[in-house]
Amino acid sequence: DQQVKQNSPSLSVQEGRISILNCDYTNSMFDYFLWYKKYPAEGPTFLISISSIKDKNEDGRFTVFLNKSAKHLSLHIVPSQPGDSAVYFCAASGVSYNQGGKLIFGQGTELSVKP
Amino acid sequence: GAGVSQTPSNKVTEKGKYVELRCDPISGHTALYWYRQSLGQGPEFLIYFQGTGAADDSGLPNDRFFAVRPEGSVSTLKIQRTERGDSAVYLCASSLRAGQVYEQYFGPGTRLTVT
Repeated sequence: DQQVKQNSPSLSVQEGRISILNCDYTNSMFDYFLWYKKYPAEGPTFLISISSIKDKNEDGRFTVFLNKSAKHLSLHIVPSQPGDSAVYFCAASGVSYNQGGKLIFGQGTELSVKP
Repeated sequence: GAGVSQTPSNKVTEKGKYVELRCDPISGHTALYWYRQSLGQGPEFLIYFQGTGAADDSGLPNDRFFAVRPEGSVSTLKIQRTERGDSAVYLCASSLRAGQVYEQYFGPGTRLTVT
């Protein structure tokens, strides 16, 4: 049972344009969401997070939007740069679900930014 | 500064053999997590430690898998009687403390191949 889903395995975007990566979740007990970025042969690195009490969090070129009623979040990258090419994972955790902060990941979306 | 390190980076073993995978967390981090990433999937939670004790091992797939962290620092994931389905990248992460607000820093992973 996939509790966190990223339905697009890949996305290709032109440099300078916006990249939008989507994520859906099913467990309403999740209350904290994160995006991780992964390059080949490296571990995932934290990008940005959002608590369920917010609907938007921004950090430089990266913005995460949360729609709790739809159980949907998205990551916007503006402007996209070739160095952003990587696999992006959406992840979720919940205080009431587990106190330890264990993460439930989606399958990932491979972003390719073309020069 | 030193990040999370994992050894070996690659391990090839025959079906039925025993393997140990090692994780060195960031110094001072009290929480340590193990995840497994199969091809085309996101990381899947296995177990986490707060200090020396396993606080949540609900993700371990069966009793062939076991993990220890005897001194609250280095952790070893042990797999007995390996099966071909165990082939995956095993990721370790550490955080200052257990909890969703503490960033998890991932190591590069150990790629396990069971032939």
